Parts: sequence; structure tokens; C-alpha cells
Amino acid sequence: EAGVVQSPRYKIIEKKQPVAFWCNPISGHNTLYWYRQNLGQGPELLIRYENEEAVDDSQLPKDRFSAERLKGVDSTLKIQPAELGDSAVYLCASSFFLGYEQYFGPGTRLTVT
Amino acid sequence: DAKTTQPPSMDCAEGRAANLPCNHSTISGNEYVYWYRQIHSQGPQYIIHGLKNNETNEMASLIITEDRKSSTLILPHATLRDTAVYYCIAQGGDTGGFKTIFGAGTRLFVKA
Repeated sequence: EAGVVQSPRYKIIEKKQPVAFWCNPISGHNTLYWYRQNLGQGPELLIRYENEEAVDDSQLPKDRFSAERLKGVDSTLKIQPAELGDSAVYLCASSFFLGYEQYFGPGTRLTVT
Repeated sequence: DAKTTQPPSMDCAEGRAANLPCNHSTISGNEYVYWYRQIHSQGPQYIIHGLKNNETNEMASLIITEDRKSSTLILPHATLRDTAVYYCIAQGGDTGGFKTIFGAGTRLFVKA
């Protein structure tokens, strides 16, 4: 069974540029999560989807971040414009349903210069 | 939301049991204790979870105190590949109140 797939694995951009991350969750998983992880810290939840509905986006900086999950499967997280402080690893995870164990992708390491 | 506290780092000799403690004194009755680990440059990996009974799987054992205020993850025979950051999380609740909050975790060093 394929795990959670994320792309790209690495991205380097200049500040004020836009960037997008893509996630393909495990087939059949209803719940999808986007996390941001800064160096030396645990992952911080940005947004959680159940099917195509964003049910918790309280930690998503909505002035520059946006996300979508079309047809309740793949998801895209976008930053526009990027700031230096956005440099981090962006992790996508999925679970069968809310409350089940989460399976994480390898993450996208974003560097903003 | 239950907050968990863990020691920042621990050492363990290869082949010995690694016992990683976690305090979750404010855990509520419908919250489970989950453990994940993260090896360098990878996403976190699920290990085990439990509500109030002790649990065991092929990776580890989870011991939860009777009052549920703390738990211990046990890796029975640690190997060098178990060197990682281990996260203890309390999660549960309905859709609106459901939270998953990762702390800084415990960095486990397994030494030869």
C-alpha cells in the first residue's frame, strides 16, 4: 500500500514569491492534515479536512495561506506571498477517520531567501 | 485540550529497554494517548495508542497509569535505528473540539 505522497520534497524561493505544496493521502482516508514543523519543534497543525470540508483552520494564517482538497482526495497548500519566517518543513498526514492514527508523508522542506 | 510534557532527551544502551515517560495530567476521559516517533528528515511515524489499558504491538508497549495522568512507552530491546524524537500526544473529542497538539518530544539516543 502506498503511503502519503508529497511533492516537491524541497523548494527554495525568494521572499514575496508564491509557492504550492501537493499531497496525495492514503487511499480511503477521510481525514487530511497539514502541519508546519520548525527546526527543533514538533509539528503544528495548520488545517484539517474531513472529506473536502476544512473543519479546523484556526491556526492557518489566512492572509497569506490557503488550502483546498478537491473531491476529498488530493490537497494543495499555498503560500502567497512567502515570507522569510515561512521557512519550515510542511507535513501532510491522513487518517482513516478523525481520531484514528495518522500517517505522515515525508514533508516538503521550504527555504525562503 | 490535554497538554503533555516529556523530558527533552534520554540515552539508552543498545539492546536494553528504553522507557520513555509522558505526563498528561489534564487528559480528559475521551482522549487517547498516542505515541509517534520521527527519525531525522522523515515524517512522524505512528507507534501505538491506548485509552486506559496497557497495550502492546510489534514495535512497543504502552503502560498507562490507573489515573491516566501519565504513561510510559517501552521499547523492549532498543537498536541504533530507534534513535529518534518520540512524541506523546493526547487526542480525542468530537469534530469541533478535536485537537492534535505535538510538544517538542523526547530525543532518544541509542548508543552502541
